[in-house]
Amino acid sequence: DAGVTQSPTHLIKTRGQQVTLRCSPKSGHDTVSWYQQALGQGPQFIFQYYEEEERQRGNFPDRFSGHQFPNYSSELNVNALLLGDSALYLCASSQTKGMARTNTIYFGEGSWLTVV
Amino acid sequence: GEDVEQSLFLSVREGDSSVINCTYTDSSSTYLYWYKQEPGAGLQLLTYIFSNMDMKQDQRLTVLLNKKDKHLSLRIADTQTGDSAIYFCRSSASKIIFGSGTRLSIRP
Repeated sequence: DAGVTQSPTHLIKTRGQQVTLRCSPKSGHDTVSWYQQALGQGPQFIFQYYEEEERQRGNFPDRFSGHQFPNYSSELNVNALLLGDSALYLCASSQTKGMARTNTIYFGEGSWLTVV
Repeated sequence: GEDVEQSLFLSVREGDSSVINCTYTDSSSTYLYWYKQEPGAGLQLLTYIFSNMDMKQDQRLTVLLNKKDKHLSLRIADTQTGDSAIYFCRSSASKIIFGSGTRLSIRP
């Protein structure tokens, strides 16, 4: 049973560029959430996707956008990168629909983004 | 607004018990969770407690919940070097809130 998988694990981008991070949820999960974790801080909630729509959003600017595909995988896009976007980006999955519904979320290992 | 607070650091001697505390503000939380994060890694779900329980034990881990005071604690018995990590509590509020994490260090 594969857990939450994320790619890439590490990447370096230049200010002003755009980045796309990818996530495959744990098998059987239909909901994906994204978090930003800056060094020395707890994860900050960016947004959550369910049924291919953004359902909840944290306090992040519109430069942060996402997408969920019919197979429940998800992408996080960040435009016009700033130095302050350097962080570990964590994807988490959970199950919203059906008998297996749970509020328990499982995390991937994250994607380390460095903006220079 | 909703908030979760934890102390930032805890240092214990190997073999002693560790107690990590967390306070939260959202009384509608159905579940409360503890996660462990080792350096450079994602968050690993350690355990969780349903809000109508006072205590849950899972091997070396004991979770205590005082719902009246909105206080959650994680006790790790016989703390080992492998327990060195940052521990996060989380409430299952509608906005998914994490504490800032408690860095647990183990001294010989």
